[in-house]
Amino acid sequence: AQRVTQPEKLLSVFKGAPVELKCNYSYSGSPELFWYVQYSRQRLQLLLRHISRESIKGFTADLNKGETSFHLKKPFAQEEDSAMYYCALPPSGGSYIPTFGRGTSLIVHP
Amino acid sequence: NAGVTQTPKFQVLKTGQSMTLQCAQDMNHNSMYWYRQDPGMGLRLIYYSASEGTTDKGEVPNGYNVSRLNKREFSLRLESAAPSQTSVYFCASGQGSNQPQHFGDGTRLSIL
Repeated sequence: AQRVTQPEKLLSVFKGAPVELKCNYSYSGSPELFWYVQYSRQRLQLLLRHISRESIKGFTADLNKGETSFHLKKPFAQEEDSAMYYCALPPSGGSYIPTFGRGTSLIVHP
Repeated sequence: NAGVTQTPKFQVLKTGQSMTLQCAQDMNHNSMYWYRQDPGMGLRLIYYSASEGTTDKGEVPNGYNVSRLNKREFSLRLESAAPSQTSVYFCASGQGSNQPQHFGDGTRLSIL
């Protein structure tokens, strides 16, 4: 069965510090993976996806198949990065159901 | 292009009352979803509709019903609201395999 684990419920850093939000997955095959961001009282938005390999708002994420991880990283956190972040596997194969992690709340202090 | 639109944005109900949350998408997506979001619990899938005319239970369907009215619209109904259903409800739609979901702004529902 598919599974996404985000081990940290809360991550608190100071402005300018590096950030790494952890995501581990369980999936048989080559996964597509997403990071979504949810700013306070707003909708979830797609932040980035594995297949595009781009950097959005300074965030990057690399798929490590050996460690089954897709950690989200940013070298210098900004206060506006404070949000909830969800890692997710999209629907695949015969399933229509995506798999979301429980989310990590990132707080960036001034 | 509005994406996914949910109504209402806020609602307060008394225990035992009923209500329907509306959701519409204009992206021609086949699949639509209803989630609830509670602190510390992340997103939990209530029901989904893989395509027009089909609906299936998700992780937490008890106390809810859904209707896929047409390709655009997917409604969620609470027949007899309970305080445990106080939550933020999100509707989402998706294009299919290996594609991301698009979310609405959410409905904040409080049941007293």
